Order: sequence, then C-alpha cells, then structure tokens
Amino acid sequence: GAGVSQTPSNKVTEKGKYVELRCDPISGHTALYWYRQSLGQGPEFLIYFQGTGAADDSGLPNDRFFAVRPEGSVSTLKIQRTERGDSAVYLCASSFSGGYQETQYFGPGTRLLVL
Amino acid sequence: GQSLEQPSEVTAVEGAIVQINCTYQTSGFYGLSWYQQHDGGAPTFLSYNALDGLEETGRFSSFLSRSDSYGYLLLQELQMKDSASYFCALNDYKLSFGAGTTVTVRA
Repeated sequence: GAGVSQTPSNKVTEKGKYVELRCDPISGHTALYWYRQSLGQGPEFLIYFQGTGAADDSGLPNDRFFAVRPEGSVSTLKIQRTERGDSAVYLCASSFSGGYQETQYFGPGTRLLVL
Repeated sequence: GQSLEQPSEVTAVEGAIVQINCTYQTSGFYGLSWYQQHDGGAPTFLSYNALDGLEETGRFSSFLSRSDSYGYLLLQELQMKDSASYFCALNDYKLSFGAGTTVTVRA
C-alpha cells in the first residue's frame, strides 16, 4: 500500500506569514507523529497523535505551532507568524497503534524556507 | 531528558565493514532503533533492539548493552548505495534521535 505522504514537498514563505503542512499517514495507522529536522541534525519530536487527540505535544516549540487531526487520519501542522528559525524539514511519521516497539514509517518531509 | 552521541562521519571502501557506535543518557526507554536517511529522503527503519544483544537483519546488525548505555550498528559488505546518514534513536513511543553519522562508501 501507499506510504506516508506529505504536501507540499517544498514551501517558501516570508517572515510573519502563516503556513499549513499536511500529512497523510498509512491507511489504518492510528498513531501519527510530527518531527522537525534542521540541517545536519536528527529529527526532533514535535507532537504525537493517537487517533484524533494529541497525546503528547511537549515538543512544540511555542504557541505559534499547532497541529490537528480531526478525523483521525490526515493531520495538518500549522505555523503562525513564521520566523526564519522555523526553516527546516518537517517530517511526519505513522505507526499502527503507537506501541513502544512499533516501527515508525516516515514521509519524505516538507522543506520549509522562511525568508 | 535524553541525549545520544554518535560519530559525525565515517568513510570506508566497498566491501568493507563499518561499525557506528551510539552512546546515550536517558531516564528510561524501551529500546534502541536505527534509521537510514539518504540525502533529501525519508528516514527508513533498519533495526531495533529491545533487549541486550545482537539483532541481525541481512547485511545490517545492531547491538545493545543497557548496562553500558551503548549500542552500535554494523554494516557489512558495504555497497555504494549504503552511502547515507544513519541515526540511532531511543524509543519511548516517540523517538529521540542522535545527530546522525554520515557514511561515505568509496569505490
């Protein structure tokens, strides 16, 4: 079946603008994760959804970042008043049920550049 | 919090064996995972150790020692396509990644 997909693949925006990044997980996966990867670094956890609810949003850097998953499938990461420091690759991953030992399957990411 | 350390770069020739070490500090975790990421690509799962010892998956093997807070990924019979970044990550339903090791395979 299809893997995790993310759109757009690239996004260029201006400082202060609002952006939305979309993630379509593997069909049937109830757990969904957002990570952020800066150049030369490993992915950094942002938020974890179990079904429709955010089970852990401890990685969101500040209140400009928000994510939703209203129907328990597609998720949208929303960034308000973007700053140049938000430039990074935003990765989405999903797993079957969020178990501790389950493999997380990653999408190709959205490369966000804030000018 | 969690922290992981791994070498930044490793270079080897085709057919060689490479070992990527990962040391970590954590207050608790369920296992150690390894992911591969090619330039511009998605991280892909390679191996997972829940218990101490060696796990073998084809040309790749991974090892964990909880008492030493240490693990490694062993890449055997290196191929050009193995040139990529490799990340160790602590599993606690979410993943905490190291900074990654760039492996360059030369002919």
